[in-house]
Amino acid sequence: DQQVKQNSPSLSVQEGRISILNCDYTNSMFDYFLWYKKYPAEGPTFLISISSIKDKNEDGRFTVFLNKSAKHLSLHIVPSQPGDSAVYFCAATGTNAGKSTFGDGTTLTVKP
Amino acid sequence: DAGITQSPRYKITETGRQVTLMCHQTWSHSYMFWYRQDLGHGLRLIYYSAAADITDKGEVPDGYVVSRSKTENFPLTLESATRSQTSVYFCASSRLQETQYFGPGTRLLVL
Repeated sequence: DQQVKQNSPSLSVQEGRISILNCDYTNSMFDYFLWYKKYPAEGPTFLISISSIKDKNEDGRFTVFLNKSAKHLSLHIVPSQPGDSAVYFCAATGTNAGKSTFGDGTTLTVKP
Repeated sequence: DAGITQSPRYKITETGRQVTLMCHQTWSHSYMFWYRQDLGHGLRLIYYSAAADITDKGEVPDGYVVSRSKTENFPLTLESATRSQTSVYFCASSRLQETQYFGPGTRLLVL
């Protein structure tokens, strides 16, 4: 039973437009959510996070929205740039859990 | 150098051989993790450790052994490698419920 799902394996957008990546979770105990970005041949790197006490967190071009009632979060990238082309992983964790559960990732391609 | 490192970066081995993948971090993070990444499966947790001498199974622990005698090291051993263990392996570290910092990965091919 996959507790964190990213239902879109891939997404393609035009440079300058908005990219929206989605993530759903099933475990109500999750209270902290993170997005990681991964380029080929490199390890994932942290992008942005959100606590369950918030519904939005913004960092430059990146904004994460959390809808707890729907158990859904999304990552918005505005404006999208070719350098944003990467695999994006959604992850979720519970208080004091230590470990995170990852989704399968969404490959974003931003076309110039 | 500061950070998290993995060695070797690439490894080719044969079925039945023992292989050890090394992971070293310099931040004194309490938590360390081993993941494998296969096409279509994202990152799957193999084992993790909350502190030295404390380890726990993740999602896919079968066929793997870990140890953590020192905070900074977390080796992963495949006792008898199988073709299904061909994958990219990532080590990560973190402080409790915080961002995980990943190593560059080890690409393992089991023939």
